[in-house]
Amino acid sequence: DAKTTQPPSMDCAEGRAANLPCNHSTISGNEYVYWYRQIHSQGPQYIIHGLKNNETNEMASLIITEDRKSSTLILPHATLRDTAVYYCIPYSGNTPLVFGKGTRLSVIA
Amino acid sequence: GAVVSQHPSRVICKSGTSVKIECRSLDFQATTMFWYRQFPKQSLMLMATSNEGSKATYEQGVEKDKFLINHASLTLSTLTVTSAHPEDSSFYICSALTSEGTDTQYFGPGTRLTVL
Repeated sequence: DAKTTQPPSMDCAEGRAANLPCNHSTISGNEYVYWYRQIHSQGPQYIIHGLKNNETNEMASLIITEDRKSSTLILPHATLRDTAVYYCIPYSGNTPLVFGKGTRLSVIA
Repeated sequence: GAVVSQHPSRVICKSGTSVKIECRSLDFQATTMFWYRQFPKQSLMLMATSNEGSKATYEQGVEKDKFLINHASLTLSTLTVTSAHPEDSSFYICSALTSEGTDTQYFGPGTRLTVL
């Protein structure tokens, strides 16, 4: 399985953009980069995924480097409700998701 | 979006009893569902893969006779914790795999099990 490296924790001021990095240098060519988040005592929530092009949806933007070895999840205007653990997971489908330790994002008022 | 429900959301039981947790995909069919558990301050750990109409595949270290999984329909999988003990107290989470578009897994809200 591809391994990921994420900072254990980050702080972000409310209303500012939160940029969460992820290194996935051993990602396979057929693996997408998926991002999930888990708010305390809830199940993980799907955020966004991409293969090699940058992606944007109503929740976030995903920037993937050209060599696909790293990516950044961007929450454009963080709110207190965005406080959660964020997971970056390379995934090719049909198999279970393997969760690492993720990044604990704290949005501060 | 795809919605997955779990029932119950929390359960407290006595040691030695059995508890059944249901996982339903509400607006899509899921041939594959996954069961995870999460202990405090830890990440999700996969317990088993559940395929509709066939036997579940368990991860190493997970007792198949203790954690019974049934996936009888395309929208329902159940996990039964048999003869529960306090060490089985955990947060149990299911996910369902949708094949609409790219394969994306959607998670249920989780079930908090406390065994006294």
